[in-house]
Amino acid sequence: AQSVTQLDSQVPVFEEAPVELRCNYSSSVSVYLFWYVQYPNQGLQLLLKYLSGSTLVKGINGFEAEFNKSQTSFHLRKPSVHISDTAEYFCAVSDVQGAQKLVFGQGTRLTINP
Amino acid sequence: DTAVSQTPKYLVTQMGNDKSIKCEQNLGHDTMYWYKQDSKKFLKIMFSYNNKELIINETVPNRFSPKSPDKAHLNLHINSLELGDSAVYFCASSQASVSGNTIYFGEGSWLTVV
Repeated sequence: AQSVTQLDSQVPVFEEAPVELRCNYSSSVSVYLFWYVQYPNQGLQLLLKYLSGSTLVKGINGFEAEFNKSQTSFHLRKPSVHISDTAEYFCAVSDVQGAQKLVFGQGTRLTINP
Repeated sequence: DTAVSQTPKYLVTQMGNDKSIKCEQNLGHDTMYWYKQDSKKFLKIMFSYNNKELIINETVPNRFSPKSPDKAHLNLHINSLELGDSAVYFCASSQASVSGNTIYFGEGSWLTVV
């Protein structure tokens, strides 16, 4: 079984500042890794995913994430945030083998202050 | 056109009632899902259907019964609603035959049981 821990439930930052949202996972098997964003009263939208290859993954809206196998982490970063980035961010994993399902972390609420 | 659409978006109902949430995807995917997001924003898979066949059932009470009339539809019927069923229910779909393929989510259905 897999589990995902998002270390910060809330992250407040000022506009144009850099941000890092932390994610650690636990799994006895190989996994794929995902970051989803949920804007207020909306569904989830995929930001980026890591399947294999380069450990640095670039996604939409200027976000990127780095897979670190030794630390079992997949932290999300953005060098300069905007007000419009205010949302809930979810890290998730899925088993490489077997039935495809996402196991989510608890979510991190990113609040951008002007 | 919305890729994964679910109705209704908002539903307020009394305890003990029976209600259904409908979901349709126009992406040609072979797998559909229902996820539940509780009041603390935690997301957990409930069911998964592949080509109309149930493949994941995550110990959900049998008051919840998914029905997949065809690959493009997965409806969720809930009997004898309880206060604890209040949550946001997300339908999703993916082409599970492609390993690591993205899971696309609908906009969510906000269920409030009073």
